Amino acid sequence: GENVEQHPSTLSVQEGDSAVIKCTYSDSASNYFPWYKQELGKRPQLIIDIRSNVGEKKDQRIAVTLNKTAKHFSLHITETQPEDSAVYFCAAYPPSGNTGKLIFGQGTTLQVKP
Amino acid sequence: SQTIHQWPATLVQPVGSPLSLECTVEGTSNPNLYWYRQAAGRGLQLLFYSVGIGQISSEVPQNLSASRPQDRQFILSSKKLLLSDSGFYLCAWSRGQGGETQYFGPGTRLLVL
Repeated sequence: GENVEQHPSTLSVQEGDSAVIKCTYSDSASNYFPWYKQELGKRPQLIIDIRSNVGEKKDQRIAVTLNKTAKHFSLHITETQPEDSAVYFCAAYPPSGNTGKLIFGQGTTLQVKP
Repeated sequence: SQTIHQWPATLVQPVGSPLSLECTVEGTSNPNLYWYRQAAGRGLQLLFYSVGIGQISSEVPQNLSASRPQDRQFILSSKKLLLSDSGFYLCAWSRGQGGETQYFGPGTRLLVL
């Protein structure tokens, strides 16, 4: 089955710097890759997603890139702000059986220092 | 628009006591439903998922069970709680028939003492 590895597990940056979180997946049939942000004590919330027919997607300071050949995708946050501090989860969707199951990475704790 | 509810928000239970957590979704029909557990500082562990009424798939063998008595209602239960059952329980939904994006409920924080 699908397996998603996420790195790094923790990331500390200065306010205004960029942050990059990387994920690799194993199932080449996976075709949808969402990213979730979870603030302390709250639910994970979708911040951006990308489908396998697209190489890059941007939404203001956030971008996601996908390399299908290498089977990895990355989250890029530019001009980081203290409110970006949270745990970020990547996920992959292997399209089997209409279950809608996502396979999540282990999470990255991002700390943005003011 | 769709809304997902979970209750209770927090719960403190003694070891060996029963458990019932409820999740309901509004604004959609025939959703896929999911229960996740998140231990403190850890990732998302999928416990159960359901593609329809009465259809439950278990991902991890444990002392928990799930039921889906109605289309938009998902219940997580236990007959006897263990200390290791403590955690943050999240319900999520996705559109049925292959919907990929999952949307999470506000969660229930469970502490077993």
